[in-house]
Parts: sequence; C-alpha cells; structure tokens
Amino acid sequence: DAGVIQSPRHEVTEMGQEVTLRCKPISGHNSLFWYRQTMMRGLELLIYFNNNVPIDDSGMPEDRFSAKMPNASFSTLKIQPSEPRDSAVYFCASTAGGTSTDTQYFGPGTRLTVL
Amino acid sequence: ELKVEQNPLFLSMQEGKNYTIYCNYSTTSDRLYWYRQDPGKSLESLFVLLSNGAVKQEGRLMASLDTKARLSTLHITAAVHDLSATYFCAPDFGNEKLTFGTGTRLTIIP
Repeated sequence: DAGVIQSPRHEVTEMGQEVTLRCKPISGHNSLFWYRQTMMRGLELLIYFNNNVPIDDSGMPEDRFSAKMPNASFSTLKIQPSEPRDSAVYFCASTAGGTSTDTQYFGPGTRLTVL
Repeated sequence: ELKVEQNPLFLSMQEGKNYTIYCNYSTTSDRLYWYRQDPGKSLESLFVLLSNGAVKQEGRLMASLDTKARLSTLHITAAVHDLSATYFCAPDFGNEKLTFGTGTRLTIIP
C-alpha cells in the first residue's frame, strides 16, 4: 500500500491567497484526520471525518479554514485567505479500525509557508 | 481540561546509556500510543498500550502503561544514534480522538 498521500509537499504563497491541501487516505480506512504542527503549538487536531462525515471540527482555528471529504479516498483542507500565521506543517492521517482512536497512519505532510 | 505532559522536553544522552521518557495525563485513559518523528518527517506509530500494566518492547525501546497513576513511560536501553528523534505519547480520553503530548526531542551523542 502506498500509505497516506498528501499534496503538495511544499507550498509557498503570499498572504491573502487561497491554499488547498489534499489528502488521499489509505484504501479501506474510514477515519481521516487533519493536523497542524508548529514549534509554538505542537501538534493540533484541526478536524476529523468518519465515513466521510465531519465529526469534530472544534480545532479549526477560524472561518478561513474549511475541510471537505467528498468521498472515501479524498479530502481537502482549504485556507482562504491565507495569513503568515498559518505557516506550519499540515498532516493528514487515517485509521483502519472501527473507532477513530485506532492507530493513526500519518502522511508525509505539507509544509506551508505564507509570506 | 485534557492535558498530556511529557518530560523531559529535550534530552541529550550518550550512546550506550539508559534513560526514560515520562508521559503524564490528566484524566482516565485505557489506551495510549507512542509515536516517533524524525526531523522534517512524518509521525510513525511505535506502540499501542491497551490496558493497565501493559508493556511493549521493540528493540531498545520499551513502553509501559499505568492507568491508575495516569502515567506511561518509554524506556531506552543502551541508546544508539539512530534513536535520535522526537517521541510523542497520545492517550485516548474516550472522546473519539487522540490528544498528543508536547513531544520529547531526544538526541543521542556519540
């Protein structure tokens, strides 16, 4: 299996631009998580989906962030408009089991820099 | 409030030495994960501990869980350079998601 796939791996954009991050979970996994990692705040859960339905989006920092999961094999995290403080590594993870707290398999991450 | 504290946050140790990383958490959890992250890389699952008293070992790493004390430990035996990484614990508080600790950055010095 290819594992969790994220694209792009690196993104550099200017403040005010729209950014879309993409994730393909491991085939057959039914839960998907979006995390953000920064030096100051560590690893933060932004949102997670179970069977393509958003279950908890309490970690989404503000309305500029939105996430979708139109089908079992694809999810997006969008930031519009982007701000310099959004610069971070964004990870997507998925789980195979019947609960959202089974072992999470992480993708390689997208390193976002907002200038 | 759900809290997960790891200590130390930073650890430099010489090759061949033993050390322990501690993970304390604020409320009941019967399942806990340990992850490893290499610099600039993703997170890799190391262990899942499923009950009180659980112990798992892989190579030079051994993890344990004491649910009554709300404590998990990750013990490193005879450290080698390739164990240099950041280690995270993540308990399951029963709220359908994992809560990750602050991480312990381990550097093994030759």
